[in-house]
Amino acid sequence: EIVMTQTPLSLPVTLGQPASISCRSSQSLLHSDGNTYLSWLQQRPGQPPRLLIYQVSYRFSGVPDRFSGSGAGTDFTLKISRVEAEDVGIYYCTQATQSDTFGQGTKLEIK
Amino acid sequence: EVQLVQSGAEVKEPGESLKISCKTSGYSFTNYWIGWVRQMPGKGLEWMGIIYPGDSDDRYSLSFRGQVTISADKSTSTTYLQWSSLKASDSAMYYCARRSRTTKSLEYWGQGTLVTVSS
Repeated sequence: EIVMTQTPLSLPVTLGQPASISCRSSQSLLHSDGNTYLSWLQQRPGQPPRLLIYQVSYRFSGVPDRFSGSGAGTDFTLKISRVEAEDVGIYYCTQATQSDTFGQGTKLEIK
Repeated sequence: EVQLVQSGAEVKEPGESLKISCKTSGYSFTNYWIGWVRQMPGKGLEWMGIIYPGDSDDRYSLSFRGQVTISADKSTSTTYLQWSSLKASDSAMYYCARRSRTTKSLEYWGQGTLVTVSS
């Protein structure tokens, strides 16, 4: 099983400031088909998860462009250019290259 | 519009059986994998398993294999998650989600079903 490790687990951020979350996988997420199946999900309080980023860096429909994803192999990053109040919640990285696993989650709060 | 609507909250006693549902609409049900995810109170997301309704091919994570059964009904575009004998540790929120055919991402999610198992 591929283990996904996120850092930090808690992220206090001032409104309008940038935020960054790291996700590291225990094995390369590069699939034999040439794609990397790494996604980012956002879970606002009391809500189901919502897809933000797929295949490392592609924003899902309706996701604001202040969210961006990058990385390759085993190291990936989610960045928020300017944090807004509605961004409060827990962020998960998840991989589907080999079965599916989730990171532990990173709780973003406003400082 | 793609929608996944899950059945309502359940309160059960240990040892009882349970089947919760995820009714889909707005797309071709048989052409997309549907996965199930557990979230225990105050905890993170856990992958349980997935089914392809087109041929009922189902796959389970090691942690949940033999503990739950995932099924699909093409006539009602609904997938199910069931337990034959619940335990208190099964108390959690359960989500279904549709997987993209190309990107393998979990694009659309149900609202969740809260299962409480208590004597």
